[in-house]
Formats: sequence, C-alpha cells, structure tokens
Amino acid sequence: NAGVTQTPKFRILKIGQSMTLQCTQDMNHNYMYWYRQDPGMGLKLIYYSVGAGITDKGEVPNGYNVSRSTTEDFPLRLELAAPSQTSVYFCASREPGQGYNEQFFGPGTRLTVL
Amino acid sequence: GENVEQHPSTLSVQEGDSAVIKCTYSDSASNYFPWYKQELGKRPQLIIDIRSNVGEKKDQRIAVTLNKTAKHFSLHITETQPEDSAVYFCAASRPSGSARQLTFGSGTQLTVLP
Repeated sequence: NAGVTQTPKFRILKIGQSMTLQCTQDMNHNYMYWYRQDPGMGLKLIYYSVGAGITDKGEVPNGYNVSRSTTEDFPLRLELAAPSQTSVYFCASREPGQGYNEQFFGPGTRLTVL
Repeated sequence: GENVEQHPSTLSVQEGDSAVIKCTYSDSASNYFPWYKQELGKRPQLIIDIRSNVGEKKDQRIAVTLNKTAKHFSLHITETQPEDSAVYFCAASRPSGSARQLTFGSGTQLTVLP
C-alpha cells in the first residue's frame, strides 16, 4: 500500500491564482482530513470528510473548498490564493469506528503564495 | 471548542537524559490524546496515544500520563537518543461526532545533544 499520497510536493502561486491540492489514500479509509501547518505551529483542521459525498468545515475553512466524490480522493481547492495561505498542507485518513484509530498523514504539500 | 496548550516550545537534553513535554486541554469531554513525532520535512507520525480511562501508558522508552482532573497529559522519553530529535505534537479529541477531529498543540522542538 502506498498509504496517503499528495501532489504536488511544492508549489508557488501568485496572489489571486487558484489551484487544487490532490490527496489519495489506498487504505479504504472513510475518514479523511485536510490540515495546514504554519511555521513553528501545530496543525489546524481545514476540512474533513466522513465518506464519499460528505464534507464538513474544520477550524480554518475560509478560502478553501473540498469535494469527496470517491472514497480514495479528497482534493482541496484554493480559490484566489492569498499570502496568508502560505503553509504546508497535510492530508490524513483513518479507519472508521470508535475513533481511537490512528490518523495516517500524507507527505505534505509546501505552498508559497507571493 | 477545544484548546490545547503545549510546553515547552523548545527542549534540549543531553543524550541519555529524560525529556518531558506537557500539554493541557480545555474540553473536559475530550477522551483521546495522541502524540505525534515530526522529523524535519517529514509527515507527522503517531508514536503513542492514551484514552481517558487510562492514567498511564508505556511503550519502551516512551510513556504518556494523563490527569483528567487537572486536564493535562505529558509525554516522557527516557534514555534519549539523537534520533529522538524532532518536533513532538500533542493532540486531543472528544467523542462527539464520528470524525474524531484532533486539536493539536503548537509543538515542541526536542534536540538531543550527543
């Protein structure tokens, strides 16, 4: 299993541009998450999904959108990129159940908005 | 919502010494507390977790303690080695809802000096 994969690894955007960060997992996990990690800070939840067709906002959703058309994929869309969105973005997934299951993280996407 | 505070932000220890990282949480309903290790440029990885019905859990050189009354939990690393150098994050989550959202602390940069 490849686990959780993310593309691209790095990206530089100009202010106002848009892009989609891709996330795929091959573990058949229903639950998927998007976090951002600012320098020297912890991870903050942007959006999450409990299954195909179901998404919900996390702590910092403004400026982002998500979709979940399949179990495997959970893309994050940035519209009108702003310098405040410069960050490292991590996607994660976990098995459903009691909730004590580990969240597995992808390798991250480092995004710079200039 | 939940708020997790983590201290210290940086910690340097001599190889072989012990390291302790402390976290406090605000939501008394939180009942799951994982710890993640993140090496430079890498993804966070779960190293140990504890549920609220347990006061202490140990895995080789790593242990976590939980004080539900005081709402704090700690990570203890004994006999530290240079490969323990990394950023450590604590997190907390509550059982309500099926997604088991994690709220992360801001991280502790641990440096083990040879």
